[in-house]
Amino acid sequence: DVQLAESGGGLAQPGGSLRLSCVASGFTFNNYWMHWVRQAPGKGLVWVSRINNDGSSTSYADADSVRGRFTISRDNSKNTLYLQMNSLRVEDTAVYYCARDALPTVAGDAAHDYFDSWGQGTLVTVSS
Amino acid sequence: DSQMTQSPSSLSASVGDRVTITCRASQTVGNFLNWYQQKPGKAPKLLIYGASSLQSGVPSRFSGSGSGTDFTLTISSLQPEDFATYYCQQSHSTPLIFGGGTKVEI
Repeated sequence: DVQLAESGGGLAQPGGSLRLSCVASGFTFNNYWMHWVRQAPGKGLVWVSRINNDGSSTSYADADSVRGRFTISRDNSKNTLYLQMNSLRVEDTAVYYCARDALPTVAGDAAHDYFDSWGQGTLVTVSS
Repeated sequence: DSQMTQSPSSLSASVGDRVTITCRASQTVGNFLNWYQQKPGKAPKLLIYGASSLQSGVPSRFSGSGSGTDFTLTISSLQPEDFATYYCQQSHSTPLIFGGGTKVEI
């Protein structure tokens, strides 16, 4: 079974940092683009970032939201996806989900950009 | 960026009802439109991809249609386990955008 397990959430102060991790199992991790999606309490889903199979290509949501503050990365030897979050703001408070791109790709292929497997999410709370 | 507008934002329905949810894109997304179901406290679940393709394991009472800017998710006969929030999402281009959600209530 495909499993994605996030960790690293918690309470952070405005301006602080957190690093989220997502450990993948049950599939060949380096065959898939991976994504982060967040959901503020009581609100809808917001795509945050994606990374390609070997980590050489990344994309982020618009500049006003996370670009320049968040960094996505992966370690295929550890089957782990990361999200480094710096300069945290109160509005970054959300459940953060890692999600698998729906279809496997080979290096150089484009992402399919929809999500067939999700983790359970990790809650990030930014508050003073 | 393409904005995704869902309607209605909520609806009340009964078991056995036919339910239709609409998603409109601010610019064409071709057929790169996907639907998810989310229950409280749970991760979303992929229902429909490519506007009309049913994800493996999803009951056939769920169907999707549309192309370009206007899309529809239909539940042909609402079941008790279908009470949830539904989201559309465009995968035409980044940034990937979700609709605001439609809560289906009893």
